[in-house]
Amino acid sequence: QVQLVESGGGVVQPGGSLRLSCAASGFTFSAYGMHWVRQAPGKGLEWVTFIRSDGNSKYYADSVQGRFIIARDNSKNTLYLQMNSLRLEDTAVYYCAKDLFCSGGTCYRLIDYWGQGTLVTVSS
Amino acid sequence: QSLLTQPPAVSGAPGQRVTISCTGSSSNIGAGFDVHWYQQVPGAAPKLLIFANSNRPSGVPDRFSGSKSGTSASLAITGLQAEDEADYYCQSYDSSLSGSRVFGGGTKLTVL
Repeated sequence: QVQLVESGGGVVQPGGSLRLSCAASGFTFSAYGMHWVRQAPGKGLEWVTFIRSDGNSKYYADSVQGRFIIARDNSKNTLYLQMNSLRLEDTAVYYCAKDLFCSGGTCYRLIDYWGQGTLVTVSS
Repeated sequence: QSLLTQPPAVSGAPGQRVTISCTGSSSNIGAGFDVHWYQQVPGAAPKLLIFANSNRPSGVPDRFSGSKSGTSASLAITGLQAEDEADYYCQSYDSSLSGSRVFGGGTKLTVL
């Protein structure tokens, strides 16, 4: 079965950096695009970034553009999120999520599996 | 402020029917992009509930249904059960945001 396990969260000061990892298993990682989605404490879901299966195209929310970098290593079945210049408002649970759901011979560009998340706290 | 607007909260008694709306615009739902719905039980990751406006993944009870019309979509839950108490999010794509997905602000469902 699909498993996504995030790691790397923790407490960091404003302006600091952190790198999250997501270990994927149970599916052909190199064939699927991947997302990071975050959820601030008590708040809703916010899409953060997406990377295509081959890693050649990346997209970012305006709130993280220029500060966060998404990457993947298909040989290690691992997704990464490099977070720089962290702000108080980046405090959230960060979810790794798999794109593309197929049913009845049709595939849809949507998130179908989520990891359990890793908490990032930006605090002085 | 999300591009997809949901009511912050809805409630209903066991056995009743509730609906959750998701209102967008001509750059997302109204442009023909599919709407998907997720259920998030407290302390857990979201789970796909409805895909492509009105389809249920295997394992999702038929008490859950979705629809879409114009610039809005709706999630209906019939025969409310205590286990349905959760947060519900709609999600679509917006043509003004290259490559991104957009989520609604979420709706907290309380089963009275």
